[in-house]
Parts: sequence; C-alpha cells; structure tokens
Amino acid sequence: LAKTTQPISMDSYEGQEVNITCSHNNIATNDYITWYQQFPSQGPRFIIQGYKTKVTNEVASLFIPADRKSSTLSLPRVSLSDTAVYYCLVGFIGTYKYIFGTGTRLKVLA
Amino acid sequence: EAQVTQNPRYLITVTGKKLTVTCSQNMNHEYMSWYRQDPGLGLRQIYYSMNVEVTDKGDVPEGYKVSRKEKRNFPLILESPSPNQTSLYFCASSRSGEQFFGPGTRLTVL
Repeated sequence: LAKTTQPISMDSYEGQEVNITCSHNNIATNDYITWYQQFPSQGPRFIIQGYKTKVTNEVASLFIPADRKSSTLSLPRVSLSDTAVYYCLVGFIGTYKYIFGTGTRLKVLA
Repeated sequence: EAQVTQNPRYLITVTGKKLTVTCSQNMNHEYMSWYRQDPGLGLRQIYYSMNVEVTDKGDVPEGYKVSRKEKRNFPLILESPSPNQTSLYFCASSRSGEQFFGPGTRLTVL
C-alpha cells in the first residue's frame, strides 16, 4: 500500500477555492486515488476517486499529474459546512486493506 | 435507503465483560470492514471481510474477533475488553472501492 502525506491542517475563508495536496510517491500502476470527508463523530464520506488527469463531480475536482506521485483535491467556493477532515487514500480498486492516515483538517472561516 | 447501521451507538462497559457491536448493510456489498478512530491516530483498520466466511486482519486486530456468516452482517466481538479499546468504532461496506460508513459506536471500557 502506498503511503500518503498530507498537510495536517489548512484554514480558508468562505467563498474561496481550497486545494489540498496529497503526496504518494510509491503509487503503483493499478492504484487509484480516493478522497474522503469526515465530520466530527461521523463516518467518512466518499468524495471523489480518480486514476489520472482530472476528475470532476458535483462537489469537487481531483487533479492528478502525469507521474501520479501526487494529487490535489479542489473544493470550489467553500462554505462553513465544508469544515471537516479530508483523507487521501491510495490503493487498487479490489484492495481490501485501507490506510487512512490522519488526514487534513480544513477549517473554513466566515 | 442504502445504509450501514451499527448498534449500539454508545456503550460503557467494564474490563473483561464480553461485548459485541453489530454492523449491518443493505446494499448487498461483498466487502465489509471495521475501523477504530483515536485522537491523533486517525482511522485504523481492525478487520475486513471479502465475502461470507472470508475475513482477514487489518492493522490493529489484537483483542478483536469478527465473523461473517451472512453477507449483510459483520459483528465485531471483544471477548475481554480492556481500557485501551476505548475508542470510536466504524463499520464500512464497499463494492467498487467506494466505502460506505456507519454512524459509529463510541465505546468506553472502564
């Protein structure tokens, strides 16, 4: 399993775009990159998943450079309700073992 | 509604008193997993199950047992709980790399 490194915390203001970068130097050919969001005392919630280039859904975008050694989760125009911990995971789709790490604590300020 | 349920949500018990935390999913997922979450340590995987009667250890399996006799249920068993198992526990199920988490069980062992 590839180890991931994320910033411990970030602050942002409402309405701004937030980019959280995850480093995964040992990513394998079959590995996908998945991001989860967790609010206090709740289970993590799937945000987005990708393999390469760019993936976009209704809540976020995921940018993955050609070498795939890092990825960036982009949250457009954050609101106070986006205050949460964000986890980056790397593994192949059929994997059964997951390493969440300690994630990035995002705080959105008014 | 597609969901993962856990019971109980809160439990206070004493050292050595066997307990079971139930987990059930209604999405017909083959994969299920248990995690514990502790401050500063993030989410750590305890056990996972790839299908009925197929289970394996995660990163922190000591002191826990699991069983998977039916596809929808994956109980977590603490035969002799100790205070260091005081934690927030999450059950999850998955089919294609996207994990769905339960609401969590907060366990206190005195």
